[in-house]
Amino acid sequence: KAGVTQTPRYLIKTRGQQVTLSCSPISGHRSVSWYQQTPGQGLQFLFEYFSETQRNKGNFPGRFSGRQFSNSRSEMNVSTLELGDSALYLCASRESTGENGELFFGEGSRLTVL
Amino acid sequence: DQQVKQNSPSLSVQEGRISILNCDYTNSMFDYFLWYKKYPAEGPTFLISISSIKDKNEDGRFTVFLNKSAKHLSLHIVPSQPGDSAVYFCAASDREYGNKLVFGAGTILRVKS
Repeated sequence: KAGVTQTPRYLIKTRGQQVTLSCSPISGHRSVSWYQQTPGQGLQFLFEYFSETQRNKGNFPGRFSGRQFSNSRSEMNVSTLELGDSALYLCASRESTGENGELFFGEGSRLTVL
Repeated sequence: DQQVKQNSPSLSVQEGRISILNCDYTNSMFDYFLWYKKYPAEGPTFLISISSIKDKNEDGRFTVFLNKSAKHLSLHIVPSQPGDSAVYFCAASDREYGNKLVFGAGTILRVKS
């Protein structure tokens, strides 16, 4: 079974631009979560999607948005990029939402904002 | 407001000895706890978990202890191996919030050979 796939792996943007990151979950997994990892802050929860609906949202500004498609693939978008948005963005999937259990993470998309 | 705290940014241990990683939480509604390990340039991978109805869970060299009254959990690795060198994240979830995982800031473990 293929793991969680994230694209692109690395990207560089400038302030004010927008970026779209993509995530393909493990086959059969219908829940996709997004996390931001920065040094010293650990993994900060962005949002979780299940069956194309946002089920949970973290404390991030409205510049951060996401969506999920009918095939469970997910995208997240960050508009009007700021220097502080430089981070590793991790996508994780699990079979369903609302259940205990491990998340399976992708390798992440490393975003650098100049 | 950090609900899950890992107060030690780093830990250095000699190969063969015990590694103890600590985690504290503030939300008494958390009912499930997990540890993840992360190598550079890779995503975090699940290591071990424990439900709030237990106080210990063991899997090979890894044991997680939960002290609910102190809102504290710890991960013991015995014996430590150089391949265990990684960042370890503690995470907790709350059924009331759809089991969203809340992570700590991580502890860098270095196992010296």
